[in-house]
Amino acid sequence: GDSVTQMEGPVTLSEEAFLTINCTYTATGYPSLFWYVQYPGEGLQLLLKATKADDKGSNKGFEATYRKETTSFHLEKGSVQVSDSAVYFCALVPSGGGADGLTFGKGTHLIIQP
Amino acid sequence: NAGVTQTPKFQVLKTGQSMTLQCAQDMNHNSMYWYRQDPGMGLRLIYYSASEGTTDKGEVPNGYNVSRLNKREFSLRLESAAPSQTSVYFCASSIARDNSGNTIYFGEGSWLTVV
Repeated sequence: GDSVTQMEGPVTLSEEAFLTINCTYTATGYPSLFWYVQYPGEGLQLLLKATKADDKGSNKGFEATYRKETTSFHLEKGSVQVSDSAVYFCALVPSGGGADGLTFGKGTHLIIQP
Repeated sequence: NAGVTQTPKFQVLKTGQSMTLQCAQDMNHNSMYWYRQDPGMGLRLIYYSASEGTTDKGEVPNGYNVSRLNKREFSLRLESAAPSQTSVYFCASSIARDNSGNTIYFGEGSWLTVV
């Protein structure tokens, strides 16, 4: 079945550091790929998404590029802030859609120190 | 701009008690979902409803029942709570039954502790 693998962390960085959170997936065809963010005590919010190969999703300084050849969707940000501290989830919906929603990775806890 | 609203936010139950988590969305979405979130496990799908009048099991349905009361509301019931059901529960919804590329919107979560 479909699956998503991401680095689990916690990942601890200093403010203004460069961030990469790796995400790889296993799925047939061309799934849609998502990054969700969960701030402490809150629900999940969509951060960005990409629906076809070579698409780049971007939002709030974060970017991720859909790489079919490496089945990856790594999340990057050039200069992180303390307010970026959260748990980040990579997820997919299979190609052709799927009424049963998203398949999630286990989440990466990001801690940004001032 | 309510989005997905779920209640209660916090609940403590004794083993064997029953309770219902309520969820409502005001975005006219067709599909609704219940997930549970556990440390180191990510989010796992309990049940989903692809459209009004239908419900289907997800990855971890045992010990739960659901009701899609109407297009807006999707409730999750624990008939006899067990400590293993201590978790954070999230309701979610999306616009289309075929949600390829469609965003899934989440509620703020319900923290449930079973003692």
